[in-house]
Amino acid sequence: QKEVEQNSGPLSVPEGAIASLNCTYSDRGSQSFFWYRQYSGKSPELIMSIYSNGDKEDGRFTAQLNKASQYVSLLIRDSQPSDSATYLCAATSGGSYIPTFGRGTSLIVHP
Amino acid sequence: SAVISQKPSRDICQRGTSLTIQCQVDSQVTMMFWYRQQPGQSLTLIATANQGSEATYESGFVIDKFPISRPNLTFSTLTVSNMSPEDSSIYLCSVVPTGSTDTQYFGPGTRLTVL
Repeated sequence: QKEVEQNSGPLSVPEGAIASLNCTYSDRGSQSFFWYRQYSGKSPELIMSIYSNGDKEDGRFTAQLNKASQYVSLLIRDSQPSDSATYLCAATSGGSYIPTFGRGTSLIVHP
Repeated sequence: SAVISQKPSRDICQRGTSLTIQCQVDSQVTMMFWYRQQPGQSLTLIATANQGSEATYESGFVIDKFPISRPNLTFSTLTVSNMSPEDSSIYLCSVVPTGSTDTQYFGPGTRLTVL
């Protein structure tokens, strides 16, 4: 059974710090990885996708992928209170449109 | 990405009734899906909405309880039938836009409360 694991948190960081969110996956055939942000009462919003080992940067966000360790992370630099949300990690196996979602990590950025 | 709308955004329903949720996309999409997200939980896939044919349901979900239609490439409906309080949840439509590999985008969701 394919699984994506995340620490449910909450992860609490001070404003301006780096928030590090982690995710592991069980299916070695996973090829596509996604990070979604979900504010309370809202639907998930895609932040980043990553397909290759290494880092991918987009503004304050950096996704990191290590397929050998089956590990994906999301770094948020200069965290802001508006970043407070639940972050969902998802992984898709080759040829599938249907990702496996983690349960999400709650991030709290306090002023 | 695609612009996705859902109607209604929220509803409160009585036990035993049915509710139909609509999902409209502003462009043709390859795939459309329906998810459920119960309070404090992650996303659970209900089914893949197939254009012009019966939906493909995930384990634990059946057509009699969650009938789905997708008459064209931009529109789908999900009906929650014979509702019970356990059906209280957020129901989300998601799409994979044409030209995208496997990236899903979510609609705003429908918050359903069953009394």
